[in-house]
Amino acid sequence: AQTVTQSQPEMSVQEAETVTLSCTYDTSENNYYLFWYKQPPSRQMILVIRQEAYKQQNATENRFSVNFQKAAKSFSLKISDSQLGDTAMYFCAFMKIEGLTVGGGSQGNLIFGKGTKLSVKP
Amino acid sequence: GAVVSQHPSRVICKSGTSVKIECRSLDFQATTMFWYRQFPKQSLMLMATSNEGSKATYEQGVEKDKFLINHASLTLSTLTVTSAHPEDSSFYICSARDWRIQYFGAGTRLSVL
Repeated sequence: AQTVTQSQPEMSVQEAETVTLSCTYDTSENNYYLFWYKQPPSRQMILVIRQEAYKQQNATENRFSVNFQKAAKSFSLKISDSQLGDTAMYFCAFMKIEGLTVGGGSQGNLIFGKGTKLSVKP
Repeated sequence: GAVVSQHPSRVICKSGTSVKIECRSLDFQATTMFWYRQFPKQSLMLMATSNEGSKATYEQGVEKDKFLINHASLTLSTLTVTSAHPEDSSFYICSARDWRIQYFGAGTRLSVL
C-alpha cells in the first residue's frame, strides 16, 4: 500500500520570503502522479501543482515549484515570494496509474498526507 | 482549472432526518466522483467512489445504508445522509475527476442537532 508522509505539521514564513514544504511517499509503483493541494480557511481544496513520475523535469507553476526526487521518493513544494493569500493547509497526494503505457491505463484513488499548516506573516 | 459545484454549503438538521448533498461538475463530464469526510484539523478521509451508472464503492468502515450515493449522470453525484445523528456532523467534500486530475467542491458543513 502507498503512504504519504508530511513531516512538518506547521510552518511559518515572512511575507515575500521563500518556504519549502516536505513530502515523502512510499510505493512500489513506477507509474504515478504526485500533487500538492492547498486548503485555505475557506476550506476549498485547490490544486497547486502536479508532477508525472515519468517526467524528470520538475513542475513549475508561477511562484510554486517542486523538487521531485524519484529515487528518494521525495516531492517537496517550494513557494517563492510568499504572499498572505498563501496561508493555508497544504496536502501532498499520490495517485498510482494502473497500466503500462504512458497516457493510458487507469487511475487509483488519491492518497493524501496529513497536511502542513502554513502561515504567512506580514 | 475545472469547476466542481457542491450544494448546500451549510446545512443544519434535526436528528433523525435525512440530508442530501449535491455535487456537479460544471464544465466537464466526470465518470468518477468521490466523497470525502474531513474532521477538524485532519486530512481528507475517502468515504466512497462513485462511477456513473453503477453502484458506489465504499471504503471499509463506511455504512453504505447511512451514506447513500447516487451518480445518475456524468455531471451529478449526490450523497444522502439518512437518519442523521449528531455524530454525523462533519465537513463533507465531493470531488470529480477529469482525466487524471481531481477537482474539489467547496464542501458542505453538516450540523445535526
